[in-house]
Amino acid sequence: EPEVTQTPSHQVTQMGQEVILRCVPISNHLYFYWYRQILGQKVEFLVSFYNNEISEKSEIFDDQFSVERPDGSNFTLKIRSTKLEDSAMYFCASSEGGYTEAFFGQGTRLTVV
Amino acid sequence: AQSVTQLDSHVSVSEGTPVLLRCNYSSSYSPSLFWYVQHPNKGLQLLLKYTSAATLVKGINGFEAEFKKSETSFHLTKPSAHMSDAAEYFCVVSPRRALTFGSGTRLQVQP
Repeated sequence: EPEVTQTPSHQVTQMGQEVILRCVPISNHLYFYWYRQILGQKVEFLVSFYNNEISEKSEIFDDQFSVERPDGSNFTLKIRSTKLEDSAMYFCASSEGGYTEAFFGQGTRLTVV
Repeated sequence: AQSVTQLDSHVSVSEGTPVLLRCNYSSSYSPSLFWYVQHPNKGLQLLLKYTSAATLVKGINGFEAEFKKSETSFHLTKPSAHMSDAAEYFCVVSPRRALTFGSGTRLQVQP
């Protein structure tokens, strides 16, 4: 069964460093998303991406964040200068259409120290 | 604006007894509704979805949910709990592409 894969599963980084989280969405999907879940809190929407551009973003997704689809298979989330409060589980998801169900990866646990 | 309220943060049942996880939603639009499950150290797995077809939706692993517009509810049920059902369950609303998650219900299944 096709699945969304994320790497790494766990990333530890120093405050102020740049970090890139990687995702390989399901191959025939056209919409890509990033969500995050701070420990003990809700899963929160960050950004959606379609046709090589951001289609929607939340207020969390400020100038410190960026997304890219550098080739035909990868979808990345970059955090330019990490803060302690960026520590969270980051989930990548993809969907076939804009209003169809999203399939999630297993997540990357980001720890900023 | 849309929101989701999961009425119980923890539910504990005995193996073989029914499961009820409660969810109320609000949405300005006619929403799509989902239940996702998260097992420890695993990703989010889709259990079932409602997209304005039948109001009673059947999902994987024997779960089902009923959409009740008059009550703005989308409760998740299963007739008989199994030990492997122990996990975190999220009710999710999606009037647009972005999903809005509830705060989750942790289901414990006692032997």
